[in-house]
Amino acid sequence: GQSLEQPSEVTAVEGAIVQINCTYQTSGFYGLSWYQQHDGGAPTFLSYNALDGLEETGRFSSFLSRSDSYGYLLLQELQMKDSASYFCAVRAGNTPLVFGKGTRLSVIA
Amino acid sequence: EAGVVQSPRYKIIEKKQPVAFWCNPISGHNTLYWYLQNLGQGPELLIRYENEEAVDDSQLPKDRFSAERLKGVDSTLKIQPAELGDSAVYLCASSNHGIKETQYFGPGTRLLVL
Repeated sequence: GQSLEQPSEVTAVEGAIVQINCTYQTSGFYGLSWYQQHDGGAPTFLSYNALDGLEETGRFSSFLSRSDSYGYLLLQELQMKDSASYFCAVRAGNTPLVFGKGTRLSVIA
Repeated sequence: EAGVVQSPRYKIIEKKQPVAFWCNPISGHNTLYWYLQNLGQGPELLIRYENEEAVDDSQLPKDRFSAERLKGVDSTLKIQPAELGDSAVYLCASSNHGIKETQYFGPGTRLLVL
């Protein structure tokens, strides 16, 4: 089977940088995705890493280390609207995405 | 381009009653997913369709849950009879053909079983 671990809650100050970690255990690993979900809203795709390294998209970056079975989402210049839940999801083998339990990010003034 | 549409957005029913959820995926997306999301948890796959064929339904409780995707477009998820533990958000997502890391989710149906 597959398992993912990420912190349940993170709090950060507006304008700061926050990193949300995700470790996974799986066989046949293809890649790691990140999704954002505001309260009452739909999960929305943020990024996907299939290769080691850092992928940058505006204020958001995502990192993957396949050898460490580890990835993270980096949010810079935090804004209040970034308060949401962030899910890592692993794609492996011939199975659909398996989502982690999510990290609830609270951005405070 | 219109996103994934789901209805109803909210549903309150008494236990043992039937309930149905409807999903219209993004036009041209062959793959459709139904997920269940409990409070404070990530989405959990119930069933995946490739066109009109259910190709992954191992997590669907088949004694009470059923789904269909007639003509490979819209889909309906049904629960009969509903139980208290079925209270959750039911999310529909779609993607281009095959297993994709990029899925587009609808707003979900929030079900409360009393």
